Amino acid sequence: EPEVTQTPSHQVTQMGQEVILRCVPISNHLYFYWYRQILGQKVEFLVSFYNNEISEKSEIFDDQFSVERPDGSNFTLKIRSTKLEDSAMYFCASSDLAVEQFFGPGTRLTVL
Amino acid sequence: KNEVEQSPQNLTAQEGEFITINCSYSVGISALHWLQQHPGGGIVSLFMLSSGKKKHGRLIATINIQEKHSSLHITASHPRDSAVYICAPHNFGNEKLTFGTGTRLTIIP
Repeated sequence: EPEVTQTPSHQVTQMGQEVILRCVPISNHLYFYWYRQILGQKVEFLVSFYNNEISEKSEIFDDQFSVERPDGSNFTLKIRSTKLEDSAMYFCASSDLAVEQFFGPGTRLTVL
Repeated sequence: KNEVEQSPQNLTAQEGEFITINCSYSVGISALHWLQQHPGGGIVSLFMLSSGKKKHGRLIATINIQEKHSSLHITASHPRDSAVYICAPHNFGNEKLTFGTGTRLTIIP
């Protein structure tokens, strides 16, 4: 069964460093999403991406964040200069007609 | 902004019990997801529904669009059902999901 994959499963970085989180969505899907979950809190929407551009973003998704689909399969989230408060689980999701979303296993980001 | 509330926040039950988890939201939606999150953190989609009722194995989800309410039921609960269950409405006019705070379910053998 097709699934969304994410790498790495755990990323540890120093404050101020850049990180890139990678996702491979389900191959025929058209809509891509990033969500994050700070430990003990609910999942929050970051950004949605369709037709090679951002279709919606939350207040959390400021200038430090960017997304890219560099080729036909990968979807990446870049955080330019990480802060302690960026420590969270980051989930990628994809959907075919912007309806049912399928989630990856998540990347746990720890900023020291 | 859609306010999503789930109840109960925590639920402990004996194996075999019938489980109900409730979700209410404040703004009209096009569909609602029920998701399961295991202790390792991964999220699995259980259901997406926009009306009526759906059944998958021992899981049943219902939604009442007029009352802005959905329920997730688990029949013959089992310890492996222990997880956090999250409802996430999908608003009209945009693509994002708004997540509830989740219900932590523990089934005791």
